[in-house]
Amino acid sequence: DADVTQTPRNRITKTGKRIMLECSQTKGHDRMYWYRQDPGLGLQLIYYSFDVKDINKGEISDGYSVSRQAQAKFSLSLESAIPNQTALYFCATSDPGSPTETQYFGPGTRLLVL
Amino acid sequence: ELKVEQNPLFLSMQEGKNYTIYCNYSTTSDRLYWYRQDPGKSLESLFVLLSNGAVKQEGRLMASLDTKARLSTLHITAAVHDLSATYFCAGNTGKLIFGQGTTLQVKP
Repeated sequence: DADVTQTPRNRITKTGKRIMLECSQTKGHDRMYWYRQDPGLGLQLIYYSFDVKDINKGEISDGYSVSRQAQAKFSLSLESAIPNQTALYFCATSDPGSPTETQYFGPGTRLLVL
Repeated sequence: ELKVEQNPLFLSMQEGKNYTIYCNYSTTSDRLYWYRQDPGKSLESLFVLLSNGAVKQEGRLMASLDTKARLSTLHITAAVHDLSATYFCAGNTGKLIFGQGTTLQVKP
């Protein structure tokens, strides 16, 4: 089983709809992240959480919200989707206690906003 | 604020050739990461460089770090088609800041 899973893997929605992307991990990591990737670009950080009670905005948080329901679960919501939120969304986790603190990425959710 | 820039952004090369991808970063970063991404797929960790002069090698890929020059390189030796992918470097300031990525195309 994959260590970091994302649901759904693909989603088509309409402008103005509220949608939620979910991320679960079995790695036991405290830190979790949400990124978006646009074609031909690197990854931009949306939100990150260092533990269940610690949630922080990233570079591009406007139009997004998150919920850390448990150590293993971190959800991303688009309150009112707009077309320029069409992108590939990745969740990632890391262990602050490891020497490298490598981030491990989920498979991604491809979102299309019409 | 950390900024990370890669060059080139696109690289087309013949099998068997050597080449280097460059990653420059603007301020101190306590670690430097290299990731690989295949089209439509997730990111896979390749290397983590922790200190000045660090060198890591895996197969035909070798990464190095020069913290004084704020430069990391990813060297490809005798490229093969399977190395075709997009490669990202990222610095760490408590959160990862990614470069734009270098898309490598290895032609037979």
